[in-house]
Amino acid sequence: RKEVEQDPGPFNVPEGATVAFNCTYSNSASQSFFWYRQDCRKEPKLLMSVYSSGNEDGRFTAQLNRASQYISLLIRDSKLSDSATYLCVVNGGGADGLTFGKGTHLIIQP
Amino acid sequence: DTEVTQTPKHLVMGMTNKKSLKCEQHMGHRAMYWYKQKAKKPPELMFVYSYEKLSINESVPSRFSPECPNSSLLNLHLHALQPEDSALYLCASSQVEAGELFFGEGSRLTVL
Repeated sequence: RKEVEQDPGPFNVPEGATVAFNCTYSNSASQSFFWYRQDCRKEPKLLMSVYSSGNEDGRFTAQLNRASQYISLLIRDSKLSDSATYLCVVNGGGADGLTFGKGTHLIIQP
Repeated sequence: DTEVTQTPKHLVMGMTNKKSLKCEQHMGHRAMYWYKQKAKKPPELMFVYSYEKLSINESVPSRFSPECPNSSLLNLHLHALQPEDSALYLCASSQVEAGELFFGEGSRLTVL
């Protein structure tokens, strides 16, 4: 199975700061990319799909770098409620299907 | 509120019991999934149904048996489980296979 790698953290970030983390993938034929957010003991929820041109949703910006095979998530003006695990998911296409990274744990501190 | 509904939310069973987990979605999605998640780990794919046919079976032990009665329903039948099978079992659906996943709240299973 193709690999999807994330820094597990935890990232300890003061409230109001900007934080960014990356996710690298090994399959150059990967077709689509997603960021999910998972709170403790809850289900993952789709945060953003990641498009080639990059996309922004409020304080969140996702970028795709196909040449270096990574996607990134930037969170501006971080809130306490942003504390969660952020899962990177890559669609490798065909039989590879969806591969989850191990997740990055983010803690926003007051 | 999630649009994928799972029951039961919690289940405790002995190793000789037979039980089932149920999942329902009414978003018209054609792919449905079972994932297993242990604490501090990412979800681990078990089964994928696409257009009501089993598309992927990730070498899951036969004590787990999936069933897709129709395009809205997905079941996971459990029999003779082991304590190490205790986990959160997540159902998800997507419009097509390997699309954006919508997860249910999960069924937290404890095997004694």
